[in-house]
Amino acid sequence: KAGVTQTPRYLIKTRGQQVTLSCSPISGHRSVSWYQQTPGQGLQFLFEYFSETQRNKGNFPGRFSGRQFSNSRSEMNVSTLELGDSALYLCASSLKGAHLSYNEQFFGPGTRLTVL
Amino acid sequence: QQQVKQSPQSLIVQKGGISIINCAYENTAFDYFPWYQQFPGKGPALLIAIRPDVSEKKEGRFTISFNKSAKQFSLHIMDSQPGDSATYFCAATLSSGTYKYIFGTGTRLKVLA
Repeated sequence: KAGVTQTPRYLIKTRGQQVTLSCSPISGHRSVSWYQQTPGQGLQFLFEYFSETQRNKGNFPGRFSGRQFSNSRSEMNVSTLELGDSALYLCASSLKGAHLSYNEQFFGPGTRLTVL
Repeated sequence: QQQVKQSPQSLIVQKGGISIINCAYENTAFDYFPWYQQFPGKGPALLIAIRPDVSEKKEGRFTISFNKSAKQFSLHIMDSQPGDSATYFCAATLSSGTYKYIFGTGTRLKVLA
């Protein structure tokens, strides 16, 4: 089975622009979660989608949004980019909904976003 | 509180030594504690996980020790190898109510040859 894929792998944007990141989960997985990873903060949960519905949301401003399509692929959008948004954005997929315990997450390689 | 505190931030160990990384959590409702290993340029990968009904779990050279009363858990890497050099994250999940993974801030491990 192919793993979680994320596109693009690298992205450079300037302040004020917006960006859309894409994630394709493992085939058959219905849950997709997004994380922001920075050296100082570690992995910060952004949101989780299951069957096209946002189930959970982290403590990020409304500039960060996402959606999930019927084929479980997910996109994350960041509007009005700020310098502090520079980070590695990771997507993780899991078979079951996140409300079920012991639900292993499989991570993609991430998209490295640099905001200038 | 849903924080997970991880220490140390970085660790240097000689080949063949024992690497120990500690995590502490606050929310007693957490009921699944995985450890992830991340190599540069890659996403984190599940290494080993434990549930609070056991005090220890071993898989090969990797062992999780769990202390429910102290709300602490730790990862022990026995006979550490240079290939173990990576960043390690502990995490905790909440299976009831609002659910998400809470990650520690990571430990950068370097094993010297």
